[in-house]
Amino acid sequence: EPEVTQTPSHQVTQMGQEVILRCVPISNHLYFYWYRQILGQKVEFLVSFYNNEISEKSEIFDDQFSVERPDGSNFTLKIRSTKLEDSAMYFCASSPSSYNSPLHFGNGTRLTVT
Amino acid sequence: RKEVEQDPGPFNVPEGATVAFNCTYSNSASQSFFWYRQDCRKEPKLLMSVYSSGNEDGRFTAQLNRASQYISLLIRDSKLSDSATYLCVVWRDTGGFKTIFGAGTRLFVKA
Repeated sequence: EPEVTQTPSHQVTQMGQEVILRCVPISNHLYFYWYRQILGQKVEFLVSFYNNEISEKSEIFDDQFSVERPDGSNFTLKIRSTKLEDSAMYFCASSPSSYNSPLHFGNGTRLTVT
Repeated sequence: RKEVEQDPGPFNVPEGATVAFNCTYSNSASQSFFWYRQDCRKEPKLLMSVYSSGNEDGRFTAQLNRASQYISLLIRDSKLSDSATYLCVVWRDTGGFKTIFGAGTRLFVKA
């Protein structure tokens, strides 16, 4: 069964550094998402993406965050200058269509900012 | 007010018990509804979609009441392996599409 893959599984970075989290969605999927989950807390929506554009973003997704689909297969989340509070699990998800289409999640990248 | 609210739990039930989870959503433009389960430190996984007429998948039954903006999940004959966090999930498109997760209800099934 096709799956969403995320790399790396764990990223440790120092405060103020830039990080790029990578995702390869399922190949025929058109809708893409990033979520984060701080340890012990809920899954929080960051951004949705379709047709090479952001569709919606949350209040969390400020100017420090950006997304790209540079080559038709990868979907990346960049954090420009990481803060301690960015430490979380980041999940990428994709779906083949929008309405009534469940999300398929990757295994996540655990980001630790020191 | 949170857009998707769930019973916080935890629910502690014996094997074989029936347990029900409730969820309410605040945005009447919400169009699609799902239940996911999440095991500790793992990604959410789809349990089932929720249809307007209600639907069943083995021991799991989901109901949707659009008028009351309410979704439920019933688990019959609980198994130890059902122990997880159950997430109520709502999708809407109000100019931009968004899938929103509730905070989850923790279930512990005991032998």
